[in-house]
Amino acid sequence: SQKIEQNSEALNIQEGKTATLTCNYTNYSPAYLQWYRQDPGRGPVFLLLIRENEKEKRKERLKVTFDTTLKQSLFHITASQPADSATYLCALDSRDTGRRALTFGSGTRLQVQP
Amino acid sequence: DSGVTQTPKHLITATGQRVTLRCSPRSGDLSVYWYQQSLDQGLQFLIHYYNGEERAKGNILERFSAQQFPDLHSELNLSSLELGDSALYFCASSPFSGGGTGELFFGEGSRLTVL
Repeated sequence: SQKIEQNSEALNIQEGKTATLTCNYTNYSPAYLQWYRQDPGRGPVFLLLIRENEKEKRKERLKVTFDTTLKQSLFHITASQPADSATYLCALDSRDTGRRALTFGSGTRLQVQP
Repeated sequence: DSGVTQTPKHLITATGQRVTLRCSPRSGDLSVYWYQQSLDQGLQFLIHYYNGEERAKGNILERFSAQQFPDLHSELNLSSLELGDSALYFCASSPFSGGGTGELFFGEGSRLTVL
C-alpha cells in the first residue's frame, strides 16, 4: 500500500542548530514533493516544492533534498529559531492512482529551544 | 493571510445533523480542494473541484458531498453526522487544474465538533 512516513516523535533542538526532518514514501512515483508548515489550529502554509528531476532546492534558511532512488526527502532548517517551532508536513502528488491530488504525511513537530 | 476564506470557523452540532461549510478561494484560483484533519488521521484529501467540475475524489464518505458554484466558491455538506466526523476541515485553492503542480493555499479551517 502507499505510505508517506514522517517521524511522529517531536524533534527538539537548540536555537542556532540545524533541524533535519525526514519524509519517506513507498509505492509512489511522485512528480513533485512539497513541504508545508502548520501551526496549531491554523492552516498549512507552503514552504518549498521540489521536482523529481531536482536533487536540492534552497530558500533562505531552508533546504530540501529529494532522492527518488531512496524514496526520501530531507528538509533542513539552518540557524533554527524558536519561531521555527511548528509541525512540518511533506506532501506529494498521487500521479500513480490518477487522482492528481496532494497526499500529506502526518507531520513532524519541531520544537526549537531558546 | 492566504486569501482563502472559510466559514464558519467553529461549529458545534449534534449527531444526526447536517452542516454546510463554505469556502471562498483566492481571487483567480479555479481549483478548490477539501481536506479533513483529525488528531489520529492527519490531513486526508476529500475532493477536488476545478472551475465547477469535480476532478478527483479521495476518501470522502457517501454522507458528504461538495460542489463548486459559478462564482468559484465551494460548499462541503456533511450529513447524518457522527462523533467521528469531529475534525478540522480545510479548504485550499490553487490556480492549477491538478494536484502537485503548484502550491496549495489553505484557509484557516472550520472546526466541527459533533456531540
